[in-house]
Amino acid sequence: QKEVEQDPGPLSVPEGAIVSLNCTYSNSAFQYFMWYRQYSRKGPELLMYTYSSGNKEDGRFTAQVDKSSKYISLFIRDSQPSDSATYLCAMNSGGYQKVTFGIGTKLQVIP
Amino acid sequence: GAVVSQHPSRVICKSGTSVKIECRSLDFQATTMFWYRQFPKQSLMLMATSNEGSKATYEQGVEKDKFLINHASLTLSTLTVTSAHPEDSSFYICSARNARGDNNEQFFGPGTRLTVL
Repeated sequence: QKEVEQDPGPLSVPEGAIVSLNCTYSNSAFQYFMWYRQYSRKGPELLMYTYSSGNKEDGRFTAQVDKSSKYISLFIRDSQPSDSATYLCAMNSGGYQKVTFGIGTKLQVIP
Repeated sequence: GAVVSQHPSRVICKSGTSVKIECRSLDFQATTMFWYRQFPKQSLMLMATSNEGSKATYEQGVEKDKFLINHASLTLSTLTVTSAHPEDSSFYICSARNARGDNNEQFFGPGTRLTVL
């Protein structure tokens, strides 16, 4: 079993839709959770960074962490064609610990 | 802020040659830099952690004599793929941790696509 599971997609949605991206994990020591956006042939860009359980909102993006279920989500409201990219979840136990990435979900927002 | 650059962005080389990839933090000091490899439709795989002024720490299964890492300053780390073979063809991405920022936040470079013929 992988430490982090993420559906690779692809996920296609119409412009303006609410997008839900998810990851599950098995390591209960993970405390820090991140979402990265990666455009084709580019490096990942940090979108959201949360600690422990709860919600965090930044513009059209909302990150949710449910540590009891070992489940994290990223919601994108009013999705735009420019949101089309691969979204990677990532997590670690904090400090200088190794970050473990999901495989990434490819999202396509259709105009 | 927090910009990381990589050079070159793309390199094609013949089998058996060595290739050097540079990773620079442009507007911050990075005591720690990371090197990842990403194969198509696969996740980022950490190869090694590079600390300024000390030897890199390699992940299990990564040959340290093949992937030479040097972190000579707080803004520069280099990865040299020695005697490259076609199976080394991949997307190599570095990231850097800001020495003064959140210890857990990494900023990624744009990546280097290596093709070994």
